[in-house]
Amino acid sequence: GENVEQHPSTLSVQEGDSAVIKCTYSDSASNYFPWYKQELGKRPQLIIDIRSNVGEKKDQRIAVTLNKTAKHFSLHITETQPEDSAVYFCAANVGGDKLIFGTGTRLQVFP
Amino acid sequence: DAGVIQSPRHEVTEMGQEVTLRCKPISGHNSLFWYRQTMMRGLELLIYFNNNVPIDDSGMPEDRFSAKMPNASFSTLKIQPSEPRDSAVYFCASSGVRDTQYFGPGTRLTVL
Repeated sequence: GENVEQHPSTLSVQEGDSAVIKCTYSDSASNYFPWYKQELGKRPQLIIDIRSNVGEKKDQRIAVTLNKTAKHFSLHITETQPEDSAVYFCAANVGGDKLIFGTGTRLQVFP
Repeated sequence: DAGVIQSPRHEVTEMGQEVTLRCKPISGHNSLFWYRQTMMRGLELLIYFNNNVPIDDSGMPEDRFSAKMPNASFSTLKIQPSEPRDSAVYFCASSGVRDTQYFGPGTRLTVL
């Protein structure tokens, strides 16, 4: 069946460093790839998304890249801050509206 | 906009009891999704509706789970009878025409 793999499962960085989270997907028809941030005890919140007609998208310190040929997409966070600490989920759409989520990456940013 | 609304926010019940979770999607959104989140299984899609019609319920664990969407502004997820392994956070999400899903605050269910 369709699946999304996400790596790493945990990531610890020093404040100010960059963080990269990588995902691969299996359905070649997927064309929408959102990233969600979930703080402890809170709901997943969309932070950035990309559609298959672009290869990269940036929003301040956050960027996402997409390689459709390799079925890879990645989240890049630059100049990390302690408030970036959370669990990050990637996802890919299948069959239209349905999203398949990765297993999550717990990011810890140490001051 | 109030966002996706879920109730109750917390539910504690005893094994065998019926549990009903409620969701009000964002006004104007035509798709509604029910997810379950646990440490072991992550974020799982249980069922989703488009224009109030169930489209994919392949994630519903078993017959004890049922979901309805009687109108565009309300959906329920029912578990009858509940079991301890149903303990999880249940999220409702809705989306409009551009795929982006917005999550509600979730219902934390504990079955004793």
